[in-house]
This record gives sequence, C-alpha cells and structure tokens, in this order.
Amino acid sequence: GQQVMQIPQYQHVQEGEDFTTYCNSSTTLSNIQWYKQRPGGHPVFLIQLVKSGEVKKQKRLTFQFGEAKKNSSLHITATQTTDVGTYFCAGRGRGSTLGRLYFGRGTQLTVWP
Amino acid sequence: NAGVTQTPKFQVLKTGQSMTLQCAQDMNHEYMSWYRQDPGMGLRLIHYSVGAGITDQGEVPNGYNVSRSTTEDFPLRLLSAAPSQTSVYFCASSRSALDSYEQYFGPGTRLTVT
Repeated sequence: GQQVMQIPQYQHVQEGEDFTTYCNSSTTLSNIQWYKQRPGGHPVFLIQLVKSGEVKKQKRLTFQFGEAKKNSSLHITATQTTDVGTYFCAGRGRGSTLGRLYFGRGTQLTVWP
Repeated sequence: NAGVTQTPKFQVLKTGQSMTLQCAQDMNHEYMSWYRQDPGMGLRLIHYSVGAGITDQGEVPNGYNVSRSTTEDFPLRLLSAAPSQTSVYFCASSRSALDSYEQYFGPGTRLTVT
C-alpha cells in the first residue's frame, strides 16, 4: 500500500542552526502538503507543492518537491525557538486513492536557545 | 467561523464502554476525516467522508464506526473501547476531496481507556 516515510524522527539543534526533514513515497504523488504541530496543539497547514521540481519559500522555510514527485523536503534556515514542533509531510495519492492524504510520522524539532 | 470543533477535549473510558466523539465544521467542506495520533506513529487515518452520506475506511478502521448524515457533522463512534484505543483523535476537513485543498484540523480529543 501507499506509504510516506519521513526522516529523521527527531532533530535537536541550537538556535541559529539549520534544519531539514525529508519525505519519501513508495509511489508517485499527485501533490504533497506540509503541516506543523506545536506541542499540545493540532496540525496546521503550511504549504502545498504540486508541480514536479517545485520549490517554494516562506521566509526562512524552503520546501521542495522532487522531479519524480516521490520525495520532498523542508529546510529551515537559522532556526528560532518559535520553530519548535513536529513537522509532517502528507502525500496525496493518485487514481483510486485520490483524496486521501498519507501522513509521514513526522520530525520533532527541538531548538536550544 | 468556528472552523472545526471537537467535543469532548478529554475523556476517560473503561474497557468495553462505548462513546461518540463529536466533530463539526461550519465551512461547508465536502471532505471530512478522522485521525488518531500515537507517539512516534504520526497521524493515521481511521475513516473519511467525501460528502454527506458517503464514508470509507482508512488505514485503521477496526473498532470505529462513522456516519455522515449532514455536511457539517462527522461523529466517530467507539463501539467497545479497548486500551489500544488510548490516543489523541483529530477530526479534519477540507473543501473538496477531488482537488487539492489544505486540511483544517480540530483541537483534538485526548482519550484514555483503562
């Protein structure tokens, strides 16, 4: 079945360091979404990537979608304590599974001041 | 708009008890879904609905029932609670299942089964 793998599971960085989390799918995705969940909170949508090779930026966050639409990454430049939380990727299936989102297990980011 | 609301926020059940987790959205969204979140397991899809009267199973549907009689409401029923169902449950909605729209999550229900 469809799977979305996300690594690493945990990442501890000092404030100011960069951070990257990676997602890989076993099958081609129609699009991929990224969510952030603060401790004790609920997932909040960050961005969606649709096109092969797409790159989008939100201030210090850079999102990439692979050429084959099977992998994606989120890179945070110069982390801040406000970046703390768990980052999830979620791939949307194609064909008969269109509409379903397959979530990765998330990367929990801790930032030391 | 209140967005996606869930009740209750916390619940403790004894093994074998049944209960319904409520979820409602006021955004006229077609697509609604239920996830459970366990440590290290991410978000796992339980059931989803692409519109009123239409539901389907996700990855982990056993022990749960859903119905979608209206666009707004999507309750999740635990038929006979088990300790393995201890988890945080999130309801989510999005504008459509056919197109790619962001999902809006509710605040969650933290369920403990003893």
